[in-house]
Amino acid sequence: HVQLQESGPGLVKPSQTLSLTCTVSGDSLTSGDFYWSWIRQTPGKGLVWLGYIYYTGNTYYNPSLKSRLTLSVDTAKNQFSLKLNSVTAADTAVYYCARANPMIVDFAFDMWGQGTMVTVSS
Amino acid sequence: EIVLTQSPGTLSLSPGERATLSCRASQSVSSQSVTSNYLAWYQQKPGQAPRLLIYGAFGRATGIPDRFSGSGSGTDLTLIISRLEPEDSAVYYCQHYGSSLGTWTFGQGTKVEIK
Repeated sequence: HVQLQESGPGLVKPSQTLSLTCTVSGDSLTSGDFYWSWIRQTPGKGLVWLGYIYYTGNTYYNPSLKSRLTLSVDTAKNQFSLKLNSVTAADTAVYYCARANPMIVDFAFDMWGQGTMVTVSS
Repeated sequence: EIVLTQSPGTLSLSPGERATLSCRASQSVSSQSVTSNYLAWYQQKPGQAPRLLIYGAFGRATGIPDRFSGSGSGTDLTLIISRLEPEDSAVYYCQHYGSSLGTWTFGQGTKVEIK
């Protein structure tokens, strides 16, 4: 049974870099054709897809965040990570890691982490 | 990028009643080049991550009760909960994968309250 778990600081200062890691357990993130994604949720903007990384390291970002976002993968640790630089209060959100499954559920997100709240404040 | 608009904002119904949730897309989610509508529905309860209910507009995800069903095509998609149960109280989101852009978008959600 695959599980995803986000980890990282819950508080980040404005202008600094927000860093989160998603640990995949129960299976290897290289085991299938999955798009390992980050999604955030705020009361104002709802759910917003941020970007995905493939186990090969290929990435694709939401154009609205592309200039500030970097995703990476560590297959040895079965983890993938997010770095969002130059954060502002608008980046305060619950951040989820999730798995998009193109083959079984037509690119829907069939696995989600529990989410982690990140607040940007001095 | 397709914009998804969900209605109503809130739905308040009694147990056993039928809930009809709408998701309207700014462009057709159907594509002549692929067989899937790439339209999904999720349920989110307070403090929890979204849970996949429906994929490809009609497919029921693993473990989802058959009282949940998806329908529609083009720009009008619908989630139906045929017989509401108290545990169905949640916010429901539609989501589309745009194969041409390689991006995912979500609707703003419909809150279902059980009286």
